[in-house]
Amino acid sequence: DGGITQSPKYLFRKEGQNVTLSCEQNLNHDAMYWYRQDPGQGLRLIYYSQIVNDFQKGDIAEGYSVSREKKESFPLTVTSAQKNPTAFYLCASSWGSGYQETQYFGPGTRLLVL
Amino acid sequence: AQTVTQSQPEMSVQEAETVTLSCTYDTSESDYYLFWYKQPPSRQMILVIRQEAYKQQNATENRFSVNFQKAAKSFSLKISDSQLGDAAMYFCAYRGDFAEYGNKLVFGAGTILRVKS
Repeated sequence: DGGITQSPKYLFRKEGQNVTLSCEQNLNHDAMYWYRQDPGQGLRLIYYSQIVNDFQKGDIAEGYSVSREKKESFPLTVTSAQKNPTAFYLCASSWGSGYQETQYFGPGTRLLVL
Repeated sequence: AQTVTQSQPEMSVQEAETVTLSCTYDTSESDYYLFWYKQPPSRQMILVIRQEAYKQQNATENRFSVNFQKAAKSFSLKISDSQLGDAAMYFCAYRGDFAEYGNKLVFGAGTILRVKS
């Protein structure tokens, strides 16, 4: 089955700890995205990547880092500098450039701080 | 910067009836895309429908249709013959100029839709 997978489904972070959220897609999409969703709010863009080995900051990149070493993978690291990391994190992908490109989403990861 | 506003935090509809969810947006661009996404309790984001701004014809997908009013910057979603499975959070989203913003989506705060049996 083609699609986007995110793991783990739930993740617990201790104070001062870095944690990494996984996002993998087998849709052969060029572009990938990370969004954060807080309760009662819409999604906000953290980082995005349109090609391998390249990525750009979104609206709320502080305290996060990403890498894009493979086309199918776009992991997100929540660093200790992110003071309020508790949220639902969604990964998305699309074919890439162009107005017609629609983003498709993974099932999400819920991050909680212990 | 573009903004998307969903003024209805919560809506209710009786099964088999019709409901309309509102969305307005602010932009100075002339070419853009608009989307409605559905997020059921599973929290999986599902694309419902999309509209190209340069198309005057309103998009339709089965029981879902939009009323796109470009001059008014309004993009409402109509759900006909509502079903229990339509119960979810609905998000309106905007995508503008690719050269300037990439494929970035700007989301509204969402509307919770409850379907009564």
